[in-house]
Amino acid sequence: EAGVAQSPRYKIIEKRQSVAFWCNPISGHATLYWYQQILGQGPKLLIQFQNNGVVDDSQLPKDRFSAERLKGVDSTLKIQPAKLEDSAVYLCASSFAITGELFFGEGSRLTVL
Amino acid sequence: KQEVTQIPAALSVPEGENLVLNCSFTDSAIYNLQWFRQDPGKGLTSLLLIQSSQREQTSGRLNASLDKSSGRSTLYIAASQPGDSATYLCATETSGSRLTFGEGTQLTVNP
Repeated sequence: EAGVAQSPRYKIIEKRQSVAFWCNPISGHATLYWYQQILGQGPKLLIQFQNNGVVDDSQLPKDRFSAERLKGVDSTLKIQPAKLEDSAVYLCASSFAITGELFFGEGSRLTVL
Repeated sequence: KQEVTQIPAALSVPEGENLVLNCSFTDSAIYNLQWFRQDPGKGLTSLLLIQSSQREQTSGRLNASLDKSSGRSTLYIAASQPGDSATYLCATETSGSRLTFGEGTQLTVNP
């Protein structure tokens, strides 16, 4: 069974530039999550989708971050404009149901200079 | 708001030693608690999931316990091996289906 796929794995940009990350969850998983993990910290939830609807985006900095999950499958997370403090690993995860075991991708590491 | 704390932040042990990692949480109204492993530069791998009605789960050399009333969980690793070296994270799921993570324990098992 294929796991959660993310791209790109690494991205370096300058502050005020924009960046987009893509995630393809495990087939059949209705719930998709984006987490931000700053070096040395645990992951922090940015947004949770159930199919193509948003369940929780309370910690998403909506002035610069946006995410969508068209057709309830793939998802894109965008940052525009990026700040230095956005340097982190962006992890995508999926689960079959709204609760239960999560499966994570390998993450997209963002460096903002 | 749920807060999850993991102690110690880092642990170094010789190969073969049994060890315990600790996780505490402030809101006991959890649906479940999960332990994850994270290797450097990698994503998270789920190790064990304990439902709120359960007291423990076992997988191979790993055993996780849950005491909801005291807000604590432990991950016991038996006969540690160098390949166990990684960061171990615990996370709780509460109402709203949000996973709240601790900051992890970085484990090094020395040959």
